[in-house]
Amino acid sequence: DAGVIQSPRHEVTEMGQEVTLRCKPISGHNSLFWYRQTMMRGLELLIYFNNNVPIDDSGMPEDRFSAKMPNASFSTLKIQPSEPRDSAVYFCASSAVGEAFFGQGTRLTVV
Amino acid sequence: QQQVKQSPQSLIVQKGGISIINCAYENTAFDYFPWYQQFPGKGPALLIAIRPDVSEKKEGRFTISFNKSAKQFSLHIMDSQPGDSATYFCAASNRSYKLIFGSGTRLLVRP
Repeated sequence: DAGVIQSPRHEVTEMGQEVTLRCKPISGHNSLFWYRQTMMRGLELLIYFNNNVPIDDSGMPEDRFSAKMPNASFSTLKIQPSEPRDSAVYFCASSAVGEAFFGQGTRLTVV
Repeated sequence: QQQVKQSPQSLIVQKGGISIINCAYENTAFDYFPWYQQFPGKGPALLIAIRPDVSEKKEGRFTISFNKSAKQFSLHIMDSQPGDSATYFCAASNRSYKLIFGSGTRLLVRP
């Protein structure tokens, strides 16, 4: 298996633009997580899906953020409109039983 | 109660020395305690994990010590090597598999 695949690896966008981050979890994993990593706040859980259903979105910072998981092999995290303070590395992770496998992350820069 | 507190924030160790990183938690429902290792530009990767039914787990040079009554667990890296230089995160989760991460420890092993 290729592991968790995220795209794009890097994204630079202007403030106010819509940004969509993509994730393909490991086949057979039924849990998917979106994390945000910054120097100031460390690794923050944004949203957690189980069997494609959002279970906990309490970490989503505000209504500008939304996440979907239309099927077991694909998830998106959308920011609309983006702001400079959204600049961070966004990780997707998937798990089956306990161990979470992380993707390489998407480095987002909003200018 | 969902927090996992990690210390120290940074650690410098000489090659061959022992690196020790500590974590504490409050939620007694946590039943899975992994440690993740992250290199620059990469996603966190599982290093070693423990469940509360054992007090210690060893894998090569890496050992987790777990104290259930004190609600603390620690990572020991024996014979630390320059290649171990990375950021280490402790984490905890309950049966929902929602990982709560500590703030991270940046380890530098000097040659």
